[in-house]
Amino acid sequence: ETGVTQSPTHLIKTRGQQVTLRCSSQSGHNTVSWYQQALGQGPQFIFQYYREEENGRGNFPPRFSGLQFPNYSSELNVNALELDDSALYLCASSSPLAGPNTGELFFGEGSRLTVL
Amino acid sequence: SQKIEQNSEALNIQEGKTATLTCNYTNYSPAYLQWYRQDPGRGPVFLLLIRENEKEKRKERLKVTFDTTLKQSLFHITASQPADSATYLCAPDSGGYQKVTFGTGTKLQVIP
Repeated sequence: ETGVTQSPTHLIKTRGQQVTLRCSSQSGHNTVSWYQQALGQGPQFIFQYYREEENGRGNFPPRFSGLQFPNYSSELNVNALELDDSALYLCASSSPLAGPNTGELFFGEGSRLTVL
Repeated sequence: SQKIEQNSEALNIQEGKTATLTCNYTNYSPAYLQWYRQDPGRGPVFLLLIRENEKEKRKERLKVTFDTTLKQSLFHITASQPADSATYLCAPDSGGYQKVTFGTGTKLQVIP
């Protein structure tokens, strides 16, 4: 059973550019959530995808968008990058066997984005 | 608005002692609460989940309590070891589509 993998692990962009981050969910998991974690803060929920549809969104502007593919892998796209977008971006998958009162998340190691 | 409070100050304890971390929440009625461990530069790792109808849960040296009246969870590590040094995140949640909301975390340092 493979865990959650994310790519790239580190990247540097300049303000105004666009970035795509990728995530492969754990085998058998059909739900993927994305989180942004600034230094010294807890992870902040961006959005969740379930069966290729957005299934909930946190307080992030529309320039944060995502996709989920038939194999349940996912992408996070951020347009018009701002300096405050510098953070660790975490992807987490969860099991279809998890009911509404479980919620255990399996995280990847994250993509560290620096915006200059 | 919903708020999760964890000790923002780092917690330093001596090896072998019990570490107790606090998570308080407001404007929430969580159906369950989770605790995660996060090492520097790594993704969080799930430790324990406790449901609203459970008062206490244990796993090896870990113990979690959940008081829905006080709106508080306590996380205990007994016989702490330097390898327990990490940031611990609490995440109360009301279920639904599994949007899990995290506190800012408490950094634990176990001193040999």
